[in-house]
Amino acid sequence: LAKTTQPISMDSYEGQEVNITCSHNNIATNDYITWYQQFPSQGPRFIIQGYKTKVTNEVASLFIPADRKSSTLSLPRVSLSDTAVYYCLVGGSTSGTYKYIFGTGTRLKVLA
Amino acid sequence: DVKVTQSSRYLVKRTGEKVFLECVQDMDHENMFWYRQDPGLGLRLIYFSYDVKMKEKGDIPEGYSVSREKKERFSLILESASTNQTSMYLCASVRGGESNTEAFFGQGTRLTVV
Repeated sequence: LAKTTQPISMDSYEGQEVNITCSHNNIATNDYITWYQQFPSQGPRFIIQGYKTKVTNEVASLFIPADRKSSTLSLPRVSLSDTAVYYCLVGGSTSGTYKYIFGTGTRLKVLA
Repeated sequence: DVKVTQSSRYLVKRTGEKVFLECVQDMDHENMFWYRQDPGLGLRLIYFSYDVKMKEKGDIPEGYSVSREKKERFSLILESASTNQTSMYLCASVRGGESNTEAFFGQGTRLTVV
């Protein structure tokens, strides 16, 4: 099963773009890459998901190179409310079942 | 709106007690998961289930068991609670099928074993 490696923590300032990179060298052909956001005392919340190239939604972009061994979550113009832990997750269907393994996450602190 | 509900937000139990943590989802999802979360360790998978009565061990199943008698309900059981099982427990569900999709989480149960 693919394991993920992320930086433990990052600091940024309001209004800046933040890029968080996740390494997943053992990603399988059927695996998708998903990012979650978690605030204290809450369950993780889905941000974005992709399989290859670039995906963009209203809150973030996800960049995945051709070899898919890493991915980068990009948060444009962060605000104080983006302070949270961000998890990169690699997983997918194997014979119809799922086994989602989370890494330790990246603790993002946005400063005023 | 999608919903995953965990039976308790906070729970205090004594060492040696049998503890049941309940999780219910209303989305008809096939896959359900139990994680525990501890400071600095992220989310660690305890058990998951991809169908009724089916279960598979995650990374840290020792000291836990699970039950999935109905599709919407996934229970985590601590057979004999110990202080090292004090943690935040999170339940999640995922739709089954050929394509991957997002996981929906409950609000978490903070369990303290004294």
